[in-house]
Amino acid sequence: AAGVIQSPRHLIKEKRETATLKCYPIPRHDTVYWYQQGPGQDPQFLISFYEKMQSDKGSIPDRFSAQQFSDYHSELNMSSLELGDSALYFCASSFSGQGFREQFFGPGTRLTVL
Amino acid sequence: ELKVEQNPLFLSMQEGKNYTIYCNYSTTSDRLYWYRQDPGKSLESLFVLLSNGAVKQEGRLMASLDTKARLSTLHITAAVHDLSATYFCAVDYPLTSGSRLTFGEGTQLTVNP
Repeated sequence: AAGVIQSPRHLIKEKRETATLKCYPIPRHDTVYWYQQGPGQDPQFLISFYEKMQSDKGSIPDRFSAQQFSDYHSELNMSSLELGDSALYFCASSFSGQGFREQFFGPGTRLTVL
Repeated sequence: ELKVEQNPLFLSMQEGKNYTIYCNYSTTSDRLYWYRQDPGKSLESLFVLLSNGAVKQEGRLMASLDTKARLSTLHITAAVHDLSATYFCAVDYPLTSGSRLTFGEGTQLTVNP
């Protein structure tokens, strides 16, 4: 079965640079979620989108922005990168139909800021 | 604000032994996930519990949910080394436009021969 695809899988950036992470949800899924997991930490919710509109916002820094496109893929844009942004970034997707909207996670993008 | 607490945070056990990981949460929810994560890897879904009294088992792992007590447990039976990993519970906090998961701190399990 198709899964959530994230690219790139690994990314190395310098401080103050920008980065763009991409997420391709499972076919037919219309909701995308972004989570950040720092070293030794639990994943923290950043932001979610439903039908190309932001649906919920968590602890996402102002330096970050995200959007969902017409094909439902999503991009997380990160600017003025800081050392503390080094983390695993997970994308998850779900289908908004009736009943429980189970989230399915992608493999993650490991961002290292030097 | 929803809080999710796991205990213990670190668990070292011998092969063949049994143990239970606890997950307490602060707000009413009847949707809870258990995940396994190996170092540097993604989150592997183990169980999704959707109602009070739900119990699910897969191999040496069994999970249960008590929504009235706001408590979920992950029971490990006759542990083997391959179970060494970090285990997270996550509570699904539903919103009108979707939901967000709030994770516990994780339990780092080490199974020693």
